[in-house]
Amino acid sequence: DIVMTQSPDSLALSLGERATINCKSSQSIFYNSNNKNYLAWYQQKPGQPPRLLIYWASARESGVPDRFSGSGSGTDFTLTISSLQAEDVAVYYCQQYYRTLFTFGPGTKVEIK
Amino acid sequence: QVQLQESGPGLVKPSETLSLTCTVSGGSISSLYWNWIRQPPGKGLEWIGYIYDTGRTNYNPSLKSRVTISVDTSKNQFSLKLSSATAADTAVYYCARVGCNNGTCPGWFDTWGQGTLVTVSS
Repeated sequence: DIVMTQSPDSLALSLGERATINCKSSQSIFYNSNNKNYLAWYQQKPGQPPRLLIYWASARESGVPDRFSGSGSGTDFTLTISSLQAEDVAVYYCQQYYRTLFTFGPGTKVEIK
Repeated sequence: QVQLQESGPGLVKPSETLSLTCTVSGGSISSLYWNWIRQPPGKGLEWIGYIYDTGRTNYNPSLKSRVTISVDTSKNQFSLKLSSATAADTAVYYCARVGCNNGTCPGWFDTWGQGTLVTVSS
């Protein structure tokens, strides 16, 4: 299995601050053949299903605000919220799809200070 | 816009079989991968398995001996059966669709149902 880890477990920031969430995979999830990283990011608000934010590590899903961005390659990835808004309070998960035993990170909880 | 809706009993007795159905509306179930994912209360996400419209399946090895996912294309539905349920199977169960891009469907989940809580208890 590819194990996904995330850091920090939680963070509390003021409105307008930059939020940075890290995700690490236990092995590289980069395919040389298509030059792509097989990583997605999701946002989950209380009582709701996860919402896809980012795929291919950095491609924003349609309708996702541009304050959300993804970066990284190989085993280390980052989700950045450039200016935290009240509606961004949620748990964020990364997920690898390099292997068809799809696995998720444990989640990072983002709160407003 | 495709929508997914889970249905099934919210309470299952230990050792019995947990059974859920996901109804796909607003689009066809054909030529796509349909998944079950679960989330124990207060915890993270665990992928259970997927089915393709042809009936080809792929399961999480940790659950493989107890899981069956089936599809009924005539009803635009797919289903989950998890046998020998225990309290550890108590979770919100989501059905979800693998998204596609440029003709490939690599494995991110772009559409989710609202989820249904299944409690395993006597």
